[in-house]
This record gives sequence, structure tokens and C-alpha cells, in this order.
Amino acid sequence: QVQLQESGPRLVKPSETLALTCTVSGGSVTNTRHYWNWIRQPPGKRLEWIGYVYNSVTTYFNPSLESRLTISMDTSKNQFSLRLWSVNAADTAIYYCAKGNYGTPGNFDIWGQGTLVTVSS
Amino acid sequence: AVRMTQSPSSISASTGDRVTITCRASEGISKYLAWYQQKPGKAPKPLIYGATSLHSGVPSRFSGSASGTYFTLTIDFLQPEDFSIYYCQQYGSYPYTFGQGTTLQIK
Repeated sequence: QVQLQESGPRLVKPSETLALTCTVSGGSVTNTRHYWNWIRQPPGKRLEWIGYVYNSVTTYFNPSLESRLTISMDTSKNQFSLRLWSVNAADTAIYYCAKGNYGTPGNFDIWGQGTLVTVSS
Repeated sequence: AVRMTQSPSSISASTGDRVTITCRASEGISKYLAWYQQKPGKAPKPLIYGATSLHSGVPSRFSGSASGTYFTLTIDFLQPEDFSIYYCQQYGSYPYTFGQGTTLQIK
């Protein structure tokens, strides 16, 4: 059974870059049946899909974030990562990584536990 | 982006009751609709996908239905562990979007 675990700094200063990693266990990030997603939840607000990486090179981002976002994969470490630059207080949120499947990449059937990232000086 | 609107925003019920939560999509999404349950401090737990299919391990008292752009989650014979927040989410159109959530609380 695939399991996901987020890691990265919990505090980021305004205008700097938020960088998170999701480590995949019980499966491979190179599995072409799986899509690897990032989702976030600001305090008291609804969940927001950030984007995904698939098959190492294919990505799709939420237009609201794509100008300052990248999602990549490290196959040697079985991980995928999120980088969001020029952050501000509105980027404070719990960040989750989640798995989707070929044909329904947005059907998130496995989630990481989430990590709270606070943007503050 | 497709706007997902849930109703009600909160609902009070008792153990053993039957409750229904509605989710409306602003555009057609076919049956690309999922439901999640979220407890405080935890990640969302997948319940239903494809509007009506239960994920493995989800009790059969949970069910989903679809009619056009209207979707419902029904929980029969509420159990104490069901009191939680429920979210709908569409994956029929980019960007994927979520409803605002419905809090199911004990009466």
C-alpha cells in the first residue's frame, strides 16, 4: 500500500521560497499509473488543488498559482517536490501530497498526513 | 474554474439518524465527483469517487448519487465516528476544485 509523507520547513519568510518534499513508500513515483499531487488548506478555508507531476516530466498547475510554482520528481529518492516562490501570508496553509490514478488524476485516493507551513517574518 | 457549493454548511443530527449533504457544480462535470471526510488535525479521508463508488473499506452506510450538476452524500444510521467535516471535490475539469465543507455535528 502506497504511503506518503510530507517534509520541509514549517516557517518561511515573506517573499522567499516555500519548498516541500513528499516521500513515497510502498510504491514507485515512476509508476505510470499514478499522478502525484499537491493540495493545500489555508486555516479556516476550503481545500485548494495546487498541481501534479506525472511520469517525471508532465505537470499541470492551478492557474491561480502557476506563475510562481514548480513541481518536480526525484526518481532516485522516490520523491516529488513543490517549490512556490515569492510567498506571502496568504500561502500559509496545511500542505498535503496526494496520489491520483491514470484516467482520474484528480481522484485523490491516498493522502499524506499534511504539514503546516506558516509564512511570517 | 468550476465552483462547488455545498449545502448545508452545517447540520446537527443524532446517532442513528440519516443525513444528506448536497453539492452543486457550477458547470457539468459528468460524474467526476469525490467526497471526503476530514477530522480535526487529520488529512481528508476518501469516501466516494465517480459520484457513487465507495472506496475500499468505507462502510456501506455511506452512499452517493448524482443528477446533472447536483450530487448528494447520504449517511444512513449515523455512528459516533461520523461526526466530522465533509467535502465534495470535482475532477472533471481543470483546476480541480473543492466545496466549502459541511460540518456534521452532534445534536
